[in-house]
Amino acid sequence: SYELTQPPSVSVSPGQTASITCSGDKLGDKYVCWYQQKPGQSPVLVIYQDTKRPSGIPERFSGSNSGNTATLTISGTQAMDEADYYCQAWDSSTYVVFGGGTKLTVL
Amino acid sequence: EVQLVESGGGLVQPGGSLRLSCAASGITFSSYAMSWVRQAPGKGLEWVSAISGSGGSTYYADSVKGRFTISRDNSKNTLYLQMNSLRADDTAVYYCAKDRGIAVAGTSAFDIWGQGTMVTVSS
Repeated sequence: SYELTQPPSVSVSPGQTASITCSGDKLGDKYVCWYQQKPGQSPVLVIYQDTKRPSGIPERFSGSNSGNTATLTISGTQAMDEADYYCQAWDSSTYVVFGGGTKLTVL
Repeated sequence: EVQLVESGGGLVQPGGSLRLSCAASGITFSSYAMSWVRQAPGKGLEWVSAISGSGGSTYYADSVKGRFTISRDNSKNTLYLQMNSLRADDTAVYYCAKDRGIAVAGTSAFDIWGQGTMVTVSS
């Protein structure tokens, strides 16, 4: 079965750039999307098809995907960005796969 | 406004059954694939099942295959998840989620989520 691996936690200072990685075998050959989930809330799609932002998502959120690693980058991180982030991809045998999630702390 | 509202969760004994519903509004329901995604308390997201816009194609995670059945009624704008032979490790918040496309494919991404319904399997 296909697996996606994320670091459990990432810390960043306000105003700095946060990078959250997602690793999987030949992940660059697949489309990756990213979700933000705040405590007690449903997930929100922030990046789809590797690099695209849905309407309403701030420009400070960006994504990339190459080789075995996809990266969610948050530029000028704000306190409101503190949340759990999940990557997701689609595999022909496993279908929809989520990463284990990364807790982003802004301190 | 696009909205997904889940219902049907609750407390059920191991081995029991439960049927979840997800009512959609504000979208052309049949134009989109739909999925169920669950989240156990304090844990990450786990995809459970998906269905194409027409209902002709269904997909399941290995953890629920043979026990859960996904279906949809496009005339009622409603998605369902029939859960049988429930186990303690099925305890989770169950979300329904709208796909950006009509088919479950490599471009699948969930742009609308419901608020979730809690399923607790315990004796």
